[in-house]
Amino acid sequence: GQQVMQIPQYQHVQEGEDFTTYCNSSTTLSNIQWYKQRPGGHPVFLIQLVKSGEVKKQKRLTFQFGEAKKNSSLHITATQTTDVGTYFCAGRGDSNYQLIWGAGTKLIIKP
Amino acid sequence: DGGITQSPKYLFRKEGQNVTLSCEQNLNHDAMYWYRQDPGQGLRLIYYSQIVNDFQKGDIAEGYSVSREKKESFPLTVTSAQKNPTAFYLCASSRQGGFVDQPQHFGDGTRLSIL
Repeated sequence: GQQVMQIPQYQHVQEGEDFTTYCNSSTTLSNIQWYKQRPGGHPVFLIQLVKSGEVKKQKRLTFQFGEAKKNSSLHITATQTTDVGTYFCAGRGDSNYQLIWGAGTKLIIKP
Repeated sequence: DGGITQSPKYLFRKEGQNVTLSCEQNLNHDAMYWYRQDPGQGLRLIYYSQIVNDFQKGDIAEGYSVSREKKESFPLTVTSAQKNPTAFYLCASSRQGGFVDQPQHFGDGTRLSIL
């Protein structure tokens, strides 16, 4: 079945450094969504990408969808303490009836 | 404010007991979902419902049951057949999106543990 692999599992950064998480699918995705889950909280929708090669920005966050629609990335510039949490991607294959979730990347700010 | 309400926040289950987790939404969404989240893992779909009186199994439906008698409500029962129920359970809802998915809105979750 379709799988969505997300790496890395954890990323420790100093405040002000950049952060990137990657998602790779075994099959072509019709679209991909990104969510953020704060510690102890629930996932909150950030954005959806639909088109091949699409790039969207939200302030310091940049989201990309690969040309082949099999991979996606989220890049945060100059991390802040408010960015702490786990970032998930979730994608749907062309023949799937449900979203398949990546395992998430936990962003940890070093003290 | 519109949103999704899950209750209880914490739940303890005894051996052989069935427990029911509540999920209510006032967003007027047609679709509702139940996910299970284990530490360090992504969300796994248990059941989903796209319309009242209809629901479909997700990847890990064994040991769980649901009902969708009202648009606003989608309760999940964790039966005694679910041998490893300890997890964080999340309920979500969305509009019907057709080919393009709609964002899912989540409740605050229920943490279930075995006594």
